[in-house]
Parts: sequence; C-alpha cells; structure tokens
Amino acid sequence: AQTVTQSQPEMSVQEAETVTLSCTYDTSESDYYLFWYKQPPSRQMILVIRQEAYKQQNATENRFSVNFQKAAKSFSLKISDSQLGDAAMYFCAYGSGGSNYKLTFGKGTLLTVNP
Amino acid sequence: SQTIHQWPATLVQPVGSPLSLECTVEGTSNPNLYWYRQAAGRGLQLLFYSVGIGQISSEVPQNLSASRPQDRQFILSSKKLLLSDSGFYLCAWSFGVAGGDEQFFGPGTRLTVL
Repeated sequence: AQTVTQSQPEMSVQEAETVTLSCTYDTSESDYYLFWYKQPPSRQMILVIRQEAYKQQNATENRFSVNFQKAAKSFSLKISDSQLGDAAMYFCAYGSGGSNYKLTFGKGTLLTVNP
Repeated sequence: SQTIHQWPATLVQPVGSPLSLECTVEGTSNPNLYWYRQAAGRGLQLLFYSVGIGQISSEVPQNLSASRPQDRQFILSSKKLLLSDSGFYLCAWSFGVAGGDEQFFGPGTRLTVL
C-alpha cells in the first residue's frame, strides 16, 4: 500500500518570502501522480499543483512549484513571494495510474503567513 | 462548469441516532464519487468511493454506509451514530477517466456527535 508522509506539522513564513513544504511517499508503482491540495480556513479543498511521475520536468503554477525527486520519492512544494492568502493547511496526495482512482493523503502541514 | 454540493453544512446529532449526508454534482455525467472523513489534526481518510450507480467500494470497516441512487448523487448514512463518527466529512468527484485525475471537493459537513 502507498503511504504519504508530511514531516512538518506546522510551518511559518514571512509575507513576500519563500517557504518549502516537504512530502515523501512510498510506492512500488511506476505509474502514478502526485498532488498538493490547499485547505484554507473555509475548509474548501483546492488543488494547487499536480505532477505526473513520468515527467521529469517539475510542475509550476504561478508562485507555486514543486521539486520532484523520483528516486528519492520526494515531492516538495515551494511557495514564492508568500501572501497572506496562502495561509492554509497543505496536503500532499498520491494517486495511482491506471484505473485506480483513489488518492492517498498525508496528514498535512499548517502554514502560517506572518505580515 | 461543474459544481458539487453538500448538505447539511453542519449537524449535531445524539449518539445512537441515524445519519444521512447528501452530495450532488452538477455539470458532468458518470463521475467518480468519494466520501472522506477528516478528523482534527489528521489527514483525509477515504471512506467510500463509487465509479457508477449502485457501485460502492468501502475502504474502512465502520458503522457507516454509502449509496449512489442516481448518477450524480452520493449519500453517506448510518443507522446508529457513535461518538467517534464526529468529524468533517468531504465529498469529492473526479472525471474517472484516468487514475491521475484531479478530485474536486465539496464544501464539507461538520458532524458533531454528542
């Protein structure tokens, strides 16, 4: 079974600075996908970024980028120019390829952005 | 565009009472549907998922059950609630085309069992 580990229960960053959230996973599969979801205080889960394991290029979405290290099974999220609206719980998630539609989530990292 | 609805938004129920949470999706057909539970300080735990009408897969044995009576309707039920059923329940959907599909989440239901 796949597992996802987020070793940082809480992180904080100053507004306009950069922060990196860590995620490691364990799998024996070769075809899979990785996700970062954001859950702000409203509790609405929102997809931040998605990475296909077969792609070597790291995914980016505006101020959000990932560092995907497939051999090390590491998938960290970098938030640049942090904004107050980035304050949220961030979840790393693993999805198998093929016809298995389930996602396995980590326990989350609570990010605080200080003005 | 697609939207997902959940109700009620909050619910307070006594131990031993029944439960029915509803989730509906608009703007798509034959979606995959999911029920998650999020306990305080923990990640999301997948409870049930469905790839079609009447097709329910259970991930965690418990006193909860799920049903999909219509293509875009997913219901989470219990005959007798336990204190441990308290939590935040999220419904989600995906296109179901491939395993790497993004899941889209509803606004959630906060359930308190007293």
